[in-house]
Amino acid sequence: EAQVTQNPRYLITVTGKKLTVTCSQNMNHEYMSWYRQDPGLGLRQIYYSMNVEVTDKGDVPEGYKVSRKEKRNFPLILESPSPNQTSLYFCASSLGRNRLYEQYFGPGTRLTVT
Amino acid sequence: DAKTTQPNSMESNEEEPVHLPCNHSTISGTDYIHWYRQLPSQGPEYVIHGLTSNVNNRMASLAIAEDRKSSTLILHRATLRDAAVYYCILRVSNFGNEKLTFGTGTRLTIIP
Repeated sequence: EAQVTQNPRYLITVTGKKLTVTCSQNMNHEYMSWYRQDPGLGLRQIYYSMNVEVTDKGDVPEGYKVSRKEKRNFPLILESPSPNQTSLYFCASSLGRNRLYEQYFGPGTRLTVT
Repeated sequence: DAKTTQPNSMESNEEEPVHLPCNHSTISGTDYIHWYRQLPSQGPEYVIHGLTSNVNNRMASLAIAEDRKSSTLILHRATLRDAAVYYCILRVSNFGNEKLTFGTGTRLTIIP
């Protein structure tokens, strides 16, 4: 089954403790992206990747890092989480090459930073 | 990015057709109209997209006005599973970020 998976689905952590949220897709997609969703603010893009080893900032990249060493994986790294990073996070992927293919989203990761 | 305007919420009875409107008066000639929906506790899900002509797929139909300043997503026979937030998004093909700009969407409630 074609899908985007994220782990963990739920995470409660403390300020400053480094964490990684994994994202993996099994569709051989070139384009991958991370969004965060907050009440009243909608979904906002954090980082995106157009292919392996090609990543760039989205609208709200501060406090986050990403890497794209393999095509299927696009982990989101919070080096020193803070309470304002408490949010619902979604990973997305698509075939890419700017042909406006549909994007597939993961199930989400709910992160709470205390 | 060109902006879209949607009603905040709509209700419909189960097994009846639903017409979800979207206004995009500043749309440019190269903007595609995409619709996504977000079911409760899930990630957004692609529904349909089009440029100028009306489009049909297994989930829905998309009716695009002749001047392209508005469009309507049509669910032919709503089920309880169609209760979701529906987003109308304009996308332009360019060599760069494929970011989706989500607005506030329309929250669709299905009445049994």
